[in-house]
Amino acid sequence: SSELTQDPAVSVALGQTVRITCQGDSLRNYYASWYQQKPGQAPVVVIYGKNNRPSGIPDRFSGSHSGRTASLTITGAQAEDEADYYCNSRDNTHVILFGGGTKLTVL
Amino acid sequence: EVQLLESGGGLVQPGGSLRLSCVASGFALSTYAVSWVRQAPGRGLEWVSALSAGTSYYADSVKGRFTISRDNSKNTLYLQMNSLRVDDTAVYYCAKLPFSDILTGYPYFDNWGQGTLVTVSS
Repeated sequence: SSELTQDPAVSVALGQTVRITCQGDSLRNYYASWYQQKPGQAPVVVIYGKNNRPSGIPDRFSGSHSGRTASLTITGAQAEDEADYYCNSRDNTHVILFGGGTKLTVL
Repeated sequence: EVQLLESGGGLVQPGGSLRLSCVASGFALSTYAVSWVRQAPGRGLEWVSALSAGTSYYADSVKGRFTISRDNSKNTLYLQMNSLRVDDTAVYYCAKLPFSDILTGYPYFDNWGQGTLVTVSS
């Protein structure tokens, strides 16, 4: 399969830990990266590769991989983390893939 | 500071054409892989096309209708869109990858423009 699958919506209580997952066969061969998108704004990469954070991204964001699943974990979620999150990777046929996105609500 | 500024969006009828531009500053466009990603209203991100190491890549949904190109002298990326359809309606983002070859390892986008809206409607 050349798709990346994400849960459409996830919620987390303020200050708690949340995991957002991305599944796809291509993830057995290629790392996923993660983007945060707030309403009306362009996406911003928060995790790339195995578990790399760009400068300026808080260390409460982390990434992990296992088999065909990639995960983005937010440890101690803040109100400002409420956003849509997208994973992306590649496969040999379609070059670049995006997951369908997960809407994160911070309660 | 890396910046990407898209332009060229607008309202076009089905079957029409449009050319999007993305002016890059803060880096040489010829040095990196670059891409177009779109987002239909209320929907997720969809990769459209990429230009990498002299090779063009396209999503199946636009193959044969869209053409990506760049003018290194103007540090500008283009997307020529022909035979537009209603389902091409979206915000189109220009995005940069942090390396030159999209097929090396895992592709991700370290810089994005603010997008330009393309509306295909009669």
